[in-house]
Amino acid sequence: KQEVTQIPAALSVPEGENLVLNCSFTDSAIYNLQWFRQDPGKGLTSLLLIQSSQREQTSGRLNASLDKSSGRSTLYIAASQPGDSATYLCAVGSGANSKLTFGKGITLSVRP
Amino acid sequence: EAGVVQSPRYKIIEKKQPVAFWCNPISGHNTLYWYRQNLGQGPELLIRYENEEAVDDSQLPKDRFSAERLKGVDSTLKIQPAELGDSAVYLCASSLYGGGETQYFGPGTRLLVL
Repeated sequence: KQEVTQIPAALSVPEGENLVLNCSFTDSAIYNLQWFRQDPGKGLTSLLLIQSSQREQTSGRLNASLDKSSGRSTLYIAASQPGDSATYLCAVGSGANSKLTFGKGITLSVRP
Repeated sequence: EAGVVQSPRYKIIEKKQPVAFWCNPISGHNTLYWYRQNLGQGPELLIRYENEEAVDDSQLPKDRFSAERLKGVDSTLKIQPAELGDSAVYLCASSLYGGGETQYFGPGTRLLVL
């Protein structure tokens, strides 16, 4: 059974700092990995999708990397802004239908 | 283009009452998902539809939960009777196809069972 871990549960940084959010998973036989953002009381917004054959994906100030062999992914946020404050969830797609298994998320607070 | 639409946004009921949630996916998306998200947890898949066929309902508590997607477009998730432990956010998502593509989520329905 796939298990996804995100540590720490919460993170507070000053504005402008570059930061890395970590995600680890137990079964390396994955189809893909997605990073989502969730604002309080809202649904999830997909940020980046990395297929198992890829090593990284970039979108604006966000960069996500994938190392299947070690069961890890990182989400890099450059020059953080207060608007980046949200919960970031990692989800691993595995199995024939790429069923998503989510971590509990990291709640990020960017202080002005 | 409209995103995934869910209603109601909030629902408060007493235990043992029935409740239903509605979801309209993004137009043209064949795959529809229902997830449950408990406080402080990530979403967990309840059921997945490919068009009108439920292809993965292994995590759906079938004694009290039911779902349908009759015409392969919108979907309804029902709980009858509701229990205190059903209090959660129920999220609907859709994707073009089910093969590991990006899933687009709706805003969710927050259910509180008293």
